[in-house]
Amino acid sequence: GAVVSQHPSWVICKSGTSVKIECRSLDFQATTMFWYRQFPKQSLMLMATSNEGSKATYEQGVEKDKFLINHASLTLSTLTVTSAHPEDSSFYICSARVFPQDTQYFGPGTRLTVL
Amino acid sequence: DAKTTQPNSMESNEEEPVHLPCNHSTISGTDYIHWYRQLPSQGPEYVIHGLTSNVNNRMASLAIAEDRKSSTLILHRATLRDAAVYYCILASYGKLTFGQGTILTVHP
Repeated sequence: GAVVSQHPSWVICKSGTSVKIECRSLDFQATTMFWYRQFPKQSLMLMATSNEGSKATYEQGVEKDKFLINHASLTLSTLTVTSAHPEDSSFYICSARVFPQDTQYFGPGTRLTVL
Repeated sequence: DAKTTQPNSMESNEEEPVHLPCNHSTISGTDYIHWYRQLPSQGPEYVIHGLTSNVNNRMASLAIAEDRKSSTLILHRATLRDAAVYYCILASYGKLTFGQGTILTVHP
């Protein structure tokens, strides 16, 4: 089956620093990837849709200047949390859209802790 | 976005069948019914999806009501590894909107 990886699996950083999270589709090409955020004991919340070669589409309430998304190739999308603060601490999960089934395969997630 | 309603939690015994219900009375004609599950501290895992007809795969079966306003995910023989949060989602143009899901507990 389709495999999606994320790196790093966890990261701890100081307030004010920027953190980059990578999402890779290992055995298939993904023109569309998605980024989600999940707080403890809550469901996944879609942050943005990332399309290869074009600007990401952000969901309402998600700051595009704070969460920078780049999808420069068919196998890699990155999420950069700029000037991270403790309230950005969360579990970040990416997924890749698979055709023709039109399902999504998810990465294992990245746990971000901002001190 | 069309919404789904699921029970907060369900319990099952190991090796017994499990029927997880989902109501989606506002489903539109182009919405696919997707099921994903998530173990703690992991990304969700695709289980099954369908449009109108019942579907079977190696993991589960999906039974869709004739009016498409409800569906049931069937795990034929639950194992301890099936304990997870199960999400029933209506997918529109590939976009998934997660609800709270059903926490499935499997007893040995």
